[in-house]
Amino acid sequence: DTAVSQTPKYLVTQMGNDKSIKCEQNLGHDTMYWYKQDSKKFLKIMFSYNNKELIINETVPNRFSPKSPDKAHLNLHINSLELGDSAVYFCASSQEVPRGSPYEQYFGPGTRLTVT
Amino acid sequence: GENVEQHPSTLSVQEGDSAVIKCTYSDSASNYFPWYKQELGKRPQLIIDIRSNVGEKKDQRIAVTLNKTAKHFSLHITETQPEDSAVYFCAASKANSGGYQKVTFGTGTKLQVIP
Repeated sequence: DTAVSQTPKYLVTQMGNDKSIKCEQNLGHDTMYWYKQDSKKFLKIMFSYNNKELIINETVPNRFSPKSPDKAHLNLHINSLELGDSAVYFCASSQEVPRGSPYEQYFGPGTRLTVT
Repeated sequence: GENVEQHPSTLSVQEGDSAVIKCTYSDSASNYFPWYKQELGKRPQLIIDIRSNVGEKKDQRIAVTLNKTAKHFSLHITETQPEDSAVYFCAASKANSGGYQKVTFGTGTKLQVIP
């Protein structure tokens, strides 16, 4: 069974549209993340949630809004898409127990977003 | 914030030779240093990690060393094989102001193993 899954795998859309990417993990982890990987392969954290609470919010445009309905799901909604949003978006999860203890992050398969 | 530099950006080695990738970090509070391998079109996956209370860790053909004083850590792959070809990311992790771990990734090294 897939541990961290994302949908869709590919997303092609036009500038100005609004789109969502969904992420689910079945590992029982309490922390989930969104990363952006650009064309140069740089992996940059965007957001992190712990038990549905936002704990990391990097300098990301307000057009990006994460939502965590429960600790197994973390969705990313993007408004007014721009050309520069084209990238691969990875969801990840980890178990941070006790709080502050670093553990391996498990990544989803990625969503390749292309904005035309 | 934390800054992680990684070198080289590309590395080509002959099959059977060793490969070394080096990273430096800026924040002495970082206490966890994972290495991820990303094959073409796939997700990053952890291959080895080291915590700040350990100087070296080995797992078969891969090893990681950490020098806390100099704030640098390295990945060593011995007896390289074509399936080692991938992009490798180092990372440094430390607790943020809320007490939660935040991971900062290096810029990646594209390793090519030539058969």
